[in-house]
Amino acid sequence: DTAVSQTPKYLVTQMGNDKSIKCEQNLGHDTMYWYKQDSKKFLKIMFSYNNKELIINETVPNRFSPKSPDKAHLNLHINSLELGDSAVYFCASSQDLAGGPKQETQYFGPGTRLLVL
Amino acid sequence: EDQVTQSPEALRLQEGESSSLNCSYTVSGLRGLFWYRQDPGKGPEFLFTLYSAGEEKEKERLKATLTKKESFLHITAPKPEDSATYLCAVTRGSQGNLIFGKGTKLSVKP
Repeated sequence: DTAVSQTPKYLVTQMGNDKSIKCEQNLGHDTMYWYKQDSKKFLKIMFSYNNKELIINETVPNRFSPKSPDKAHLNLHINSLELGDSAVYFCASSQDLAGGPKQETQYFGPGTRLLVL
Repeated sequence: EDQVTQSPEALRLQEGESSSLNCSYTVSGLRGLFWYRQDPGKGPEFLFTLYSAGEEKEKERLKATLTKKESFLHITAPKPEDSATYLCAVTRGSQGNLIFGKGTKLSVKP
């Protein structure tokens, strides 16, 4: 009965590789997000995706690309991995972008720990 | 620039010793303030959302309050199982993304 799930939980890879992280939510939400948590535990938004509209944080390199095959999934593809990409990546979902606590409260997945060697 | 600042960075309490965590914010067009709990190796777990100055929410030993410039998370008679990192975050305008503070790591010793 997991609400927001991510795979894999751990990902160890070499610099320069391309990898994907998958996210699925079974809450019936319309909006999904990707956040990055760095080594200092600071969480920062990367993308939000709502009704096929993608909002990108301008600081995110274009090597990162979210892909949504359907409303319940938002995968994160990373090209040409760099050492600095090592972090924990969290997927989250909410009913909508705004509109009150029921609509905009975000629920997070368990995270994917990415280590680039 | 939008900013969320949490203090202290770390807090060590004895079981039963009540205290408060602070979250101050400078955000244009604040819409909501959220508190999350994060255990090691886990994703953030939603606790509360507050929208208006003066609003209060309670859950077990936790109580969150909001003013125009800051929020407090009061912990009454904490237990060791309350040990975690507590994250404060805000939303603004029409954007849905959460702007997080760096968290307060709470340790409660028996």
